[in-house]
Amino acid sequence: AQKITQTQPGMFVQEKEAVTLDCTYDTSDQSYGLFWYKQPSSGEMIFLIYQGSYDEQNATEGRYSLNFQKARKSANLVISASQLGDSAMYFCAMRKRGSYIPTFGRGTSLIVHP
Amino acid sequence: NAGVTQTPKFQVLKTGQSMTLQCAQDMNHNSMYWYRQDPGMGLRLIYYSASEGTTDKGEVPNGYNVSRLNKREFSLRLESAAPSQTSVYFCASSEQGFGYTFGSGTRLTVV
Repeated sequence: AQKITQTQPGMFVQEKEAVTLDCTYDTSDQSYGLFWYKQPSSGEMIFLIYQGSYDEQNATEGRYSLNFQKARKSANLVISASQLGDSAMYFCAMRKRGSYIPTFGRGTSLIVHP
Repeated sequence: NAGVTQTPKFQVLKTGQSMTLQCAQDMNHNSMYWYRQDPGMGLRLIYYSASEGTTDKGEVPNGYNVSRLNKREFSLRLESAAPSQTSVYFCASSEQGFGYTFGSGTRLTVV
């Protein structure tokens, strides 16, 4: 069974600084996909970024990038130039290829200070 | 706007009451899911439907039933609500596992 671990229950960052949110996963599969979602205080789940296990480049979407280290089984989210609106819960998720069911981590709460 | 619509947004039930959470998507996705979110636990899968006409249990199915009424709609039923089912419920849909679109959630309190 696959498992997602987010070891940081809470993180604080100063506005305009970069922050890294950690995610490690445990799977015996070679082919899988990794996702990050943002959940602001309003409650909706917002898709941020996707990384396939065979993708040669680390995924980037605007200020979001995914630091993918396959050998270490880590998929850390990097947010550059943090904004106050980045304050939210962030969830890492994984699904193995051939399965349409993602498994989610427990989340990291990020607070951006002005 | 295209997306996943969940109703109701809020609900309070008494222990033993029943209710159905409704979910509809207009993106023509084959797969639909029901998750519950509890503090410190992330999202846990209750049931999913890989395609119209099929449903399967997830990690925490006890106390719930589902119906995939058609390709658009996937409902979650609590037959006899218990306080342990107090949670936020999310419906989601996807096409072949590439990106999951979530509804806005239902906050359920069982007293």
